[in-house]
Amino acid sequence: AQSVTQPDIHITVSEGASLELRCNYSYGATPYLFWYVQSPGQGLQLLLKYFSGDTLVQGIKGFEAEFKRSQSSFNLRKPSVHWSDAAEYFCAGGSNTGNQFYFGTGTSLTVIP
Amino acid sequence: DTEVTQTPKHLVMGMTNKKSLKCEQHMGHRAMYWYKQKAKKPPELMFVYSYEKLSINESVPSRFSPECPNSSLLNLHLHALQPEDSALYLCASSRGQGYGDTIYFGEGSWLTVV
Repeated sequence: AQSVTQPDIHITVSEGASLELRCNYSYGATPYLFWYVQSPGQGLQLLLKYFSGDTLVQGIKGFEAEFKRSQSSFNLRKPSVHWSDAAEYFCAGGSNTGNQFYFGTGTSLTVIP
Repeated sequence: DTEVTQTPKHLVMGMTNKKSLKCEQHMGHRAMYWYKQKAKKPPELMFVYSYEKLSINESVPSRFSPECPNSSLLNLHLHALQPEDSALYLCASSRGQGYGDTIYFGEGSWLTVV
């Protein structure tokens, strides 16, 4: 079955530390993948997306993600986390064999001073 | 401009009320979506409209009734809801439903059923 998995329910990092949020996908065909961020009480904001080309994609707010087909992963990274990055992060995606779009279960990020 | 506008932002309704949630986009997108999101959970797809026709209904109870009056507007009519229907309702749109089409979300409408 096609799916997106986020293994980490909750992550805590110190402000200024680096961040990596994990996302794994399960698609037989060519996937397209997104990372969204949701601050408390807000809608979902698109951070970045991948569907072809360069496997390292740059997004907004200093985030980047790398598509690794060999590991079926699309992990989100940021070199230095700011307190305002505390939010819920969702990985999502689909494939070229269907029009269904799947969300991961989300990772809640806490940033401590 | 990648904006999806939803109104109202907050809605409190009784179980016998009839109300509607509204969504608007002016990006020329031909696919529009309703999602339901409970606290600390990912959004759950409810309905998809493609070219103003209902293309996906994820077995949503009939007390939720979607409507797409034109390519820019999407409504969700609510009637005889239950307290467990209280949630954040997110509208979204995309250029199409094809490979790589980015889905853009609105800020959501917080619904409380009392």
